[in-house]
Amino acid sequence: QVQLQESGPGLVKPSETLSLTCTVSGGSISSYYWSWIRQPAGKGLEWIGRIYTSGSTNYNPSLKSRVTMSVDTSKNQFSLKLSSVTAADTAVYYCARESSPRGLGYWGQGTLVTVSS
Amino acid sequence: DIVMTQTPLSSPVTLGQPASISCRSSQSLVHSDGNTYLSWLQQRPGQPPRLLIYKISNRFSGVPDRFSGSGAGTDFTLKISRVEAEDVGVYYCMQATQFPWTFGQGTKVEIK
Repeated sequence: QVQLQESGPGLVKPSETLSLTCTVSGGSISSYYWSWIRQPAGKGLEWIGRIYTSGSTNYNPSLKSRVTMSVDTSKNQFSLKLSSVTAADTAVYYCARESSPRGLGYWGQGTLVTVSS
Repeated sequence: DIVMTQTPLSSPVTLGQPASISCRSSQSLVHSDGNTYLSWLQQRPGQPPRLLIYKISNRFSGVPDRFSGSGAGTDFTLKISRVEAEDVGVYYCMQATQFPWTFGQGTKVEIK
């Protein structure tokens, strides 16, 4: 059973870069699309973007200028970088894998990132 | 962006009774490949979202058959035939037909 685990700093200063990694276990990272989604406390879900194991990406235009995703197949990991963060980027960040075409069937537990000085 | 609108936003339900959630998209979710990428997710308190239904009506692995999805074009419905205590949570529809993928606001299902 594939499992995903997000990791990274829980606190990031305004204007700095948020960096998160998702480690995949129980299966190969290859040949799948991997997404990042975030959820501010008490609010709904926002899709940040996705990456294929070839490196091909699709980003949410609302964040595109600040987002970079990458994949490291040798470590079975993929990553998210979000630059120039503000308090509005404070949220629980989830990584997820598509299980069927465009269905997010596997999710990590999520990691809270707070943007504050 | 495609806007996903769910109704109701809150649904108090009696155990054992049915529940229904509607989701309407601001434009057709039929993809150029002929598929409609509308899914439903459940988020129990303190948990990550969980995929229930994909491509309108396909139950994901391990999802009980009391959950069913239907609809076409811009109007979709999630039905729970008999609500159980473990069904409490927030339900989201999500479209993955057009980038960026977008979610509905969420519908909170609670027990009366």
